[in-house]
Amino acid sequence: DAGVTQSPTHLIKTRGQQVTLRCSPKSGHDTVSWYQQALGQGPQFIFQYYEEEERQRGNFPDRFSGHQFPNYSSELNVNALLLGDSALYLCASSFRVRETQYFGPGTRLLVL
Amino acid sequence: DAKTTQPTSMDCAEGRAANLPCNHSTISGNEYVYWYRQIHSQGPQYIIHGLKNNETNEMASLIITEDRKSSTLILPHATLRDTAVYYCIVRVSRGDLGDDKIIFGKGTRLHILP
Repeated sequence: DAGVTQSPTHLIKTRGQQVTLRCSPKSGHDTVSWYQQALGQGPQFIFQYYEEEERQRGNFPDRFSGHQFPNYSSELNVNALLLGDSALYLCASSFRVRETQYFGPGTRLLVL
Repeated sequence: DAKTTQPTSMDCAEGRAANLPCNHSTISGNEYVYWYRQIHSQGPQYIIHGLKNNETNEMASLIITEDRKSSTLILPHATLRDTAVYYCIVRVSRGDLGDDKIIFGKGTRLHILP
């Protein structure tokens, strides 16, 4: 039974570029949440997707957008990258909203 | 802001029980206490959660005070592999219409000493 998977594992971009990160939820899960973790900090909630809709959003600008597909997988898109967007991006899945979330290994993004 | 406060760091000898405290004095009646840990920039790993009663699973035990204002995570026989940052989180229970985003604090950095 595969857990939450994320791709790519590492990514290097330059300022102003756009990036897409991908997440496949744990088998049987239908809800995906995204988090940003800066070095030395706890993860910060970006948004959550359920039934292909954004259900909740944290305090992140519109440059951060997402999508959920019919198979429950999800993408996180970040436009106009800033140096401060360098972080570990974590995806977590659950069965339904408000059930226990299980995290993937993360994608480490470096913006130069 | 996180609704929990935890010590910044703790040490524990290998083989001993590690007791990690968490204060959540503003917890509401419908909020669960969750514990996760994160080993060296891997994704956070779910450990255990509870509402009112003490809980135990294969990884740990969770002791919640009767007034629910604090809790303790217990790792019964700590090993070197338990060295990690441990996060205590409160979140609303299922079925409520309230906010569901998990808010992480900075957690407790637990060092298991050989």
